[in-house]
Parts: sequence; C-alpha cells; structure tokens
Amino acid sequence: AQSVSQHNHHVILSEAASLELGCNYSYGGTVNLFWYVQYPGQHLQLLLKYFSGDPLVKGIKGFEAEFIKSKFSFNLRKPSVQWSDTAEYFCAVNSGTYKYIFGTGTRLKVLA
Amino acid sequence: GAVVSQHPSWVICKSGTSVKIECRSLDFQATTMFWYRQFPKQSLMLMATSNEGSKATYEQGVEKDKFLINHASLTLSTLTVTSAHPEDSSFYICSALRGTGGGSTDTQYFGPGTRLTVL
Repeated sequence: AQSVSQHNHHVILSEAASLELGCNYSYGGTVNLFWYVQYPGQHLQLLLKYFSGDPLVKGIKGFEAEFIKSKFSFNLRKPSVQWSDTAEYFCAVNSGTYKYIFGTGTRLKVLA
Repeated sequence: GAVVSQHPSWVICKSGTSVKIECRSLDFQATTMFWYRQFPKQSLMLMATSNEGSKATYEQGVEKDKFLINHASLTLSTLTVTSAHPEDSSFYICSALRGTGGGSTDTQYFGPGTRLTVL
C-alpha cells in the first residue's frame, strides 16, 4: 500500500533560519506530489505541486521542493523563514488516481 | 481562484441527531469532491469520494449509512452525519477537484473545515 512519511513532526526555528521538511513516499510507479500548508485556524492551501518535468518546483511564498526519484523524496525548502510561516505542512502523493495519500504533517513554529 | 467553502464552520448537536455539512466550490465546477476527517494532531483521513450525479465511493471502514453523501450539483456536495454520537466529534474537511479533464494531475482545493461536537 502507498504511504507517505513525514519524519519531522515538530520543527522550531528562529526567523531567517533555513527550512527543510522531509517527505518520503512508498510507491514505485509514476507519482504526483503536493505540499499543502494549514495556517492556524485556516484551511489547507496548496503550496506547490509536481507532476513532471523539472524536479525542482517553486511554489508560493518562497517555498520550493525537489523531487528525487531515486530517494522517493519530495522535500520542502525555504531559504529564510518568517514568523508568518508558522503552520502545519502536509505532503501528499497520488499515483494513477486522484485520491491523495497524506503524510502525518509537520508543525512548524517560527520564533520571532 | 479555486475557492471552496464549507458551512457551517462549527456545529454542536445532541447525541442521536443528524447534522448536514455543505461543501461548495465557489468559482469552478467540480464533478468530484472529497470528504476527509481530521483527528487532533493527525493527518487527513479520506472518508469518501463524492461524484456528481452518482453514488459516493466510501473508503474501507467508513459506514455509508452513517455518513450520507449527496453531490446534487457541480458546485455542491453535502455530508450528513446521521444519528451522531460523541465518537463522531471531529473536524470534517471537504475538497473539490479542479483540473483540465480528469486524471491524477488534477488538483484538490480544500474547504476550511467544519468542527462537529456531539454532546
């Protein structure tokens, strides 16, 4: 069965620090990959997505993610976080269907 | 674009009553919508896929008679929790699929969620 792992459950950073959140999936075929963010009290918003092409994907708010097929990974990065990036981040994968498999999420707290 | 709304945002009901939650895609048509349940500090669990004009497809372990789904139009899906019990208390989130013609490259856009508390 497909699964998505986000190993960092909680991350605390100071403003201006660099961010990398891990996402690994278990599926050997063609996959589509997504990162969503859920700010406190708000709904899930799409940060970025990868379907094909350049494995380095740039999203909104300065976020980017790199698809490394050999590592089954799609890690999310941001060079310099802000206090407003405090949120929960979810990685999601689908393959062949439109049903998503979500990771367990990573709660990011950025200290001002 | 791609705005999805849910109503109500929160609801409190007595045990044994039924509660209806609406999910609307405001600026696009969605033949497919999804209903998720999110437990505290956990990920989203897909409950069912709602298809306009046909029966919903439920995930394994989800009681279809308890969680009634109706996808009445291309912009509206409803989830009715029937004979609610305290264990049904949760955060219910819907999403609508937007794309160019179906397939796995379509993208889900999420509603803000509905907090259900059953007393």
